[in-house]
Amino acid sequence: QVQLQESGPGLVKPSETLSLTCTVSGGSISGSYWSWTRQPPGKGLEWIGYISYSGSANYNPSLKSRLIISVDTSKNQFSLNLSSVTAADTAVYYCARDTYLAVWGKGTTVTVSS
Amino acid sequence: DIVMTQSPDSLAVSLGERATINCKSSQSVLYSSNNKNYLAWYQHKPGQPPKLLFYWASTRESGVPDRFSGSGSGTDFTLTISSLQAEDVAVYYCQQYYSIPHTFGQGTKLEIK
Repeated sequence: QVQLQESGPGLVKPSETLSLTCTVSGGSISGSYWSWTRQPPGKGLEWIGYISYSGSANYNPSLKSRLIISVDTSKNQFSLNLSSVTAADTAVYYCARDTYLAVWGKGTTVTVSS
Repeated sequence: DIVMTQSPDSLAVSLGERATINCKSSQSVLYSSNNKNYLAWYQHKPGQPPKLLFYWASTRESGVPDRFSGSGSGTDFTLTISSLQAEDVAVYYCQQYYSIPHTFGQGTKLEIK
């Protein structure tokens, strides 16, 4: 059974870049789409974007100018890089499989603060 | 962007009773070429990741109890729990994956009356 695990720093300074990696285990990253979603404190879910195993990505336009999602099939991982972060980027970040988010990681809390 | 609006924002239902959550999209999420509605439902409990309940609006994900049902087409969708159990307390979200960005509804908080 496919499992996903997010990893990365829990604290990022304002104006810096937030970098997270999602490691896929129990299955291959090939043949699927891989997504990122976040939930700011006390708020609902926000879709960030997704990438295909071949590297074709689609982003939320509200984040597109700051966002890069990439995939490394040799490591069975995909990553999120969000630049110029502010406090508004503080959230629980989830990685998930497929466009309808069939399998989720447990989530990782990222706080933007100096 | 397609705006997803859920109603109600919160709902309190007695154990064993029916719970109904509605989701309306600002434009159709039905893709005519394959007659599929690009609509998913999730259950989100505190401290856990969201859990997929339905995709294509009414296809139940494996392991989801059959007291849950998803219905609707086009712009109007419904999630129904036929007989509420204590473990169903959660926030429920609909999401369209028809067009970018894949927007979520604001969530409906379901509690026990």
